Amino acid sequence: SQQGEEDPQALSIQEGENATMNCSYKTSINNLQWYRQNSGRGLVHLILIRSNEREKHSGRLRVTLDTSKKSSSLLITASRAADTASYFCASGGYQKVTFGTGTKLQVIP
Amino acid sequence: GAVVSQHPSWVICKSGTSVKIECRSLDFQATTMFWYRQFPKQSLMLMATSNEGSKATYEQGVEKDKFLINHASLTLSTLTVTSAHPEDSSFYICSARNGTRLLWDYEQYFGPGTRLTVT
Repeated sequence: SQQGEEDPQALSIQEGENATMNCSYKTSINNLQWYRQNSGRGLVHLILIRSNEREKHSGRLRVTLDTSKKSSSLLITASRAADTASYFCASGGYQKVTFGTGTKLQVIP
Repeated sequence: GAVVSQHPSWVICKSGTSVKIECRSLDFQATTMFWYRQFPKQSLMLMATSNEGSKATYEQGVEKDKFLINHASLTLSTLTVTSAHPEDSSFYICSARNGTRLLWDYEQYFGPGTRLTVT
């Protein structure tokens, strides 16, 4: 399988806490993207980090990328109940992206 | 921002019939579109990649005669599930890549998905 792995599979935290999700991928990439999916809905693009970048911020999101370890992490700070969703990493080559297994995040109000 | 639409958003059909799902890029030209399927509580699995004007490239294990993909224009790709069976019931999502973006930086824009139920 070409799918990446995400860790943890599920995460439950209290509102206001930080949430960290990790992603590992298998092949060389040009970029890595993180997406959010609310239950039964389509995907929402969160952030893209290029292979020559190590860290990127967008609002409450912080993404890191370690190409030597083929891993990335997504940190959501000061979580809100509305952040409850599944989060997927997608590692990108020139032709297509491969999705990770996803982390289901539940933020308890 | 770039918008991708899918139609229908949900469909119920009888076993043995064919179903067509449309994917449209509304405000940009999509030289490449991708079709994914997602089973409940699972990740997205790429089914095929389609480039405008050429045949789709299918992933290993995906039956090209069952899942017909047509990308006839820069804004429209269709997925037809032929002779659908209950095991084809799934959430199908398309995405489109903006042809004007640099390959280095390509970002896929996803449609809202189509939920297919085959009875």
